[in-house]
Amino acid sequence: DAGVIQSPRHEVTEMGQEVTLRCKPISGHNSLFWYRQTMMRGLELLIYFNNNVPIDDSGMPEDRFSAKMPNASFSTLKIQPSEPRDSAVYFCASRDTSTDTQYFGPGTRLTVL
Amino acid sequence: AQSVSQHNHHVILSEAASLELGCNYSYGGTVNLFWYVQYPGQHLQLLLKYFSGDPLVKGIKGFEAEFIKSKFSFNLRKPSVQWSDTAEYFCAADPTSGTYKYIFGTGTRLKVLA
Repeated sequence: DAGVIQSPRHEVTEMGQEVTLRCKPISGHNSLFWYRQTMMRGLELLIYFNNNVPIDDSGMPEDRFSAKMPNASFSTLKIQPSEPRDSAVYFCASRDTSTDTQYFGPGTRLTVL
Repeated sequence: AQSVSQHNHHVILSEAASLELGCNYSYGGTVNLFWYVQYPGQHLQLLLKYFSGDPLVKGIKGFEAEFIKSKFSFNLRKPSVQWSDTAEYFCAADPTSGTYKYIFGTGTRLKVLA
């Protein structure tokens, strides 16, 4: 199994640009989570999906952030427009229903200049 | 509100020293508990987990954790640390209330001196 796949691994963009982060969960996992990690705020849950349906987006910082999960094998997190304070590592995780365990992807390191 | 507390933010040990990292959760019901490790520049990896049964659980790389229900604690231990254990360690709780989301602690940064 390839594990959770995220792309790109690194993204550098300028303030005001649109950024799209991608995630492919582990096959068979029904839940998908987007986290953000910064030195100042630690690990924050942004949003999670269950069976492709957004369940809790209370962690999404503001309307500039949006996430979709059009099918069981793909999710996106979009920031439009991006700001320097969005610079962080964004992790995607999927949950194995049979073991109630989350598995994390390698993360996308986003730098907004 | 449900929360997970990790009181040690930074720990520095010499190789071969024993390790214990504290984790306390605030939830009165059934809870699944996890320890994850994040090596520098890498993603979170599962170290061990507790769902039920024997309160002493063993994980990878010689780590173990003990669930003490009366203390709402799930401390991580290792008898003898190595330089390669330098990492950040996160405790997480899953309240099993059907929400599927974990509550993570703020993490403990461990530095092991060679």
